[in-house]
Amino acid sequence: KAGVTQTPRYLIKTRGQQVTLSCSPISGHRSVSWYQQTPGQGLQFLFEYFSETQRNKGNFPGRFSGRQFSNSRSEMNVSTLELGDSALYLCASSLLGTGANVLTFGAGSRLTVL
Amino acid sequence: AQSVSQHNHHVILSEAASLELGCNYSYGGTVNLFWYVQYPGQHLQLLLKYFSGDPLVKGIKGFEAEFIKSKFSFNLRKPSVQWSDTAEYFCAVIVGAQKLVFGQGTRLTINP
Repeated sequence: KAGVTQTPRYLIKTRGQQVTLSCSPISGHRSVSWYQQTPGQGLQFLFEYFSETQRNKGNFPGRFSGRQFSNSRSEMNVSTLELGDSALYLCASSLLGTGANVLTFGAGSRLTVL
Repeated sequence: AQSVSQHNHHVILSEAASLELGCNYSYGGTVNLFWYVQYPGQHLQLLLKYFSGDPLVKGIKGFEAEFIKSKFSFNLRKPSVQWSDTAEYFCAVIVGAQKLVFGQGTRLTINP
């Protein structure tokens, strides 16, 4: 079966712009989580969605937001981009959520902010 | 705050050497533990997991890990590494059944 699909794979933005990243989970998975990966901070949890509801949120500013649609696809948005937002953004899906199941990760969307 | 520590930031070994990567966590409750691997240019993949039961768990590609509750550790081992094991390895723990907390990662370089 198809894995977790993230689009776009690469993108370049300038400071002050906004960006929307998309994630299609494995078919049948209802939970989608987002992580930010940077060389300095490693992998940090952004948020988790389950059945269109945000279940948990990490310690990121309000510029980072997300949503989940009825088909379990998820988007995350970053507004007013800063240089420090340059990172690999990873999406992971699971059947019922982080506590109950193993997460399967996508290849990521690499964002560069100039 | 809960945290996961991987003390080895970069490990360099020769092929056929034995490997042990350290992982310690600071969480007193019930834990679910994982090792993920990220090969160059590829996405994060699950190596192995511990939920309950036998504290010695076996994963893919000959890797294994031992959960030692008294030491809050979940070290990753492989008796004989190959050049293809060159990758970054991440230890992670589920905290409060809500989110996965990752260690900083250990970069493993295997010289042929």
